[in-house]
Amino acid sequence: EMQLVESGGGLVQPGRSLRLSCRTSGFTFGDYSISWVRQAPGKGLEWVGFIRGKAYGGTTDYAASVRGRFTVSGDDSKSTAFLQMNSLKTEDTAVYYCARASRFRSGFLFSYYMDVWGKGTTVIVSS
Amino acid sequence: EIVLTQSPGTLSLSPGERATLSCRASQSVSNTYLAWYRQKPGQAPSLLIYGASNRATGIPDRFSGSGSGTDFTLTISRLEPEDFAVYYCQHFGSSPLYTFGQGTKVEIK
Repeated sequence: EMQLVESGGGLVQPGRSLRLSCRTSGFTFGDYSISWVRQAPGKGLEWVGFIRGKAYGGTTDYAASVRGRFTVSGDDSKSTAFLQMNSLKTEDTAVYYCARASRFRSGFLFSYYMDVWGKGTTVIVSS
Repeated sequence: EIVLTQSPGTLSLSPGERATLSCRASQSVSNTYLAWYRQKPGQAPSLLIYGASNRATGIPDRFSGSGSGTDFTLTISRLEPEDFAVYYCQHFGSSPLYTFGQGTKVEIK
């Protein structure tokens, strides 16, 4: 069974750091990409960051709202992805989800859709 | 940057009825880049449709996706109790990589 399990959330003061983990199982980690998506209380979904699988270069992308503060990484040996969050702000308060991103190709075009999700971990940034 | 606008904000229907959800993009997009997700209360989102019209693994055929250009539709032919949830459309692009619509809530009438 394919699974993603997030951990590392908690209460943190503004300006501090936190590292979230996304432990995966049931599939070959390096063959897939991982996306991080967050949801502030009572709000919609917001994409945060992305790391391509090793098979696709392992490069990363970030939303403008977190670029320069958040870093996505992966450890193939542990089948785990990480979201390092620095200089946290109160507006970063949210449930953070990791999701497996599968590549979909149609002709010359391709995209990544998020087909397996974790249950999320809650981050509260408050003094 | 692509902006996705979903309508209506809330849809009030009864079990067994047909639901039609709209997602409008601020500029023409390829079908390849459009997906739909369902988020049941208190749960993580789950993939329903990718490539605008392809059902994800295990998704029943009462769900269908259609559209092209700037207008896309998610149709649920007969609402089941588990379908009362929030639905999001999503675009895969370049900057930002992913954009979500604001969501449509399907509630029990």
